[in-house]
Amino acid sequence: GAVVSQHPSRVICKSGTSVKIECRSLDFQATTMFWYRQFPKQSLMLMATSNEGSKATYEQGVEKDKFLINHASLTLSTLTVTSAHPEDSSFYICSARRTSGGGSDTQYFGPGTRLTVL
Amino acid sequence: GEDVEQSLFLSVREGDSSVINCTYTDSSSTYLYWYKQEPGAGLQLLTYIFSNMDMKQDQRLTVLLNKKDKHLSLRIADTQTGDSAIYFCAVSILYNFNKFYFGSGTKLNVKP
Repeated sequence: GAVVSQHPSRVICKSGTSVKIECRSLDFQATTMFWYRQFPKQSLMLMATSNEGSKATYEQGVEKDKFLINHASLTLSTLTVTSAHPEDSSFYICSARRTSGGGSDTQYFGPGTRLTVL
Repeated sequence: GEDVEQSLFLSVREGDSSVINCTYTDSSSTYLYWYKQEPGAGLQLLTYIFSNMDMKQDQRLTVLLNKKDKHLSLRIADTQTGDSAIYFCAVSILYNFNKFYFGSGTKLNVKP
């Protein structure tokens, strides 16, 4: 199956610092990756679509200067939370889009990163 | 946009069948997915169905799609305690494969 990893799995940082989260597709190339945020006991909220070789597309209400996305290669996208504050504490999940034969198209998710800002 | 709705909780006994329901609003929905999330983990793709199908079976999992009513269900046969998790329904639409619309998730509790 398709495997997507995230690193780190947990991070605790002080308010005002920046945190980088990596998302890698391990056994397939992904021209498109996605970043989601999940609040406790809630569904996933799409933050942005990360496109290899071009700028990310942000959803309405998501600050692009706050959440920097870089899709450096076909297997790696990074999300940097800049000047993190306690309200940024959340579970961040990435996914990678894989197009299979026959036209099917699905997203495979990473295990998530728990960010806690003190 | 698309609205995807699920009931929040389902409780069953081990060995029984579980049926998790999902409704959506956009008739252009093309692919419909079921994901499983265990505590503190990401989402695991369980199965998906294309909109021109009525049913898909994969071992203990059966997906039923009623396109007229915009209703999707996931049936888990012989439910085990290891099936306890949150199950998310997600749909993507024809002209925008990039965007997935997720339901709120159904928490399945399997009692021994």
